[in-house]
Amino acid sequence: DAGVIQSPRHEVTEMGQEVTLRCKPISGHNSLFWYRQTMMRGLELLIYFNNNVPIDDSGMPEDRFSAKMPNASFSTLKIQPSEPRDSAVYFCASSSGQGSNQPQHFGDGTRLSIL
Amino acid sequence: AQSVTQLDSQVPVFEEAPVELRCNYSSSVSVYLFWYVQYPNQGLQLLLKYLSGSTLVKGINGFEAEFNKSQTSFHLRKPSVHISDTAEYFCAVKGGGATNKLIFGTGTLLAVQP
Repeated sequence: DAGVIQSPRHEVTEMGQEVTLRCKPISGHNSLFWYRQTMMRGLELLIYFNNNVPIDDSGMPEDRFSAKMPNASFSTLKIQPSEPRDSAVYFCASSSGQGSNQPQHFGDGTRLSIL
Repeated sequence: AQSVTQLDSQVPVFEEAPVELRCNYSSSVSVYLFWYVQYPNQGLQLLLKYLSGSTLVKGINGFEAEFNKSQTSFHLRKPSVHISDTAEYFCAVKGGGATNKLIFGTGTLLAVQP
């Protein structure tokens, strides 16, 4: 079975540029999560969706960050404009069932470097 | 609100020795507990989960964990580690109810030495 698919795996861009990270959840999963991982702050939940609707975006750091889920099989996380402090590994995860005990399944992440 | 504490940021151990990675949680409601492993340059992978029932849970790669409600702990153990077990291990808790959010600990780096 295909797992959570993230693209690109690596992104290097200059400060001020727009960055778009993409995620395809596991088919049939109706919850999707975006995380950021850094050495300093560890693993942080940025936002999560249930049935394509954002449920909790309290972890989104600032207005430069936005996330969308136009359908059940695709989500994007956008940073505009990007800054060096946004450099991190960004993970997408999906799970089935609102409020269920099902675990989250993670993609391999996008390693983002802002110069 | 739930929280998770992993007291050890790094645990060095020799190959074939036993290991225990500690995890304590706090929650005012019933919880579901998880251990994830992260190998270098990869995402998190589920090792095992406690949902209900038997307090001793067995996972992949020979790992097991024991849920202790009175001590609010969910420590991860393996009787004999391999070099390939070197990775970061994360404990996570999810409360009951409608939320799907997982609260992760800060992780423990298991460093297995030959």
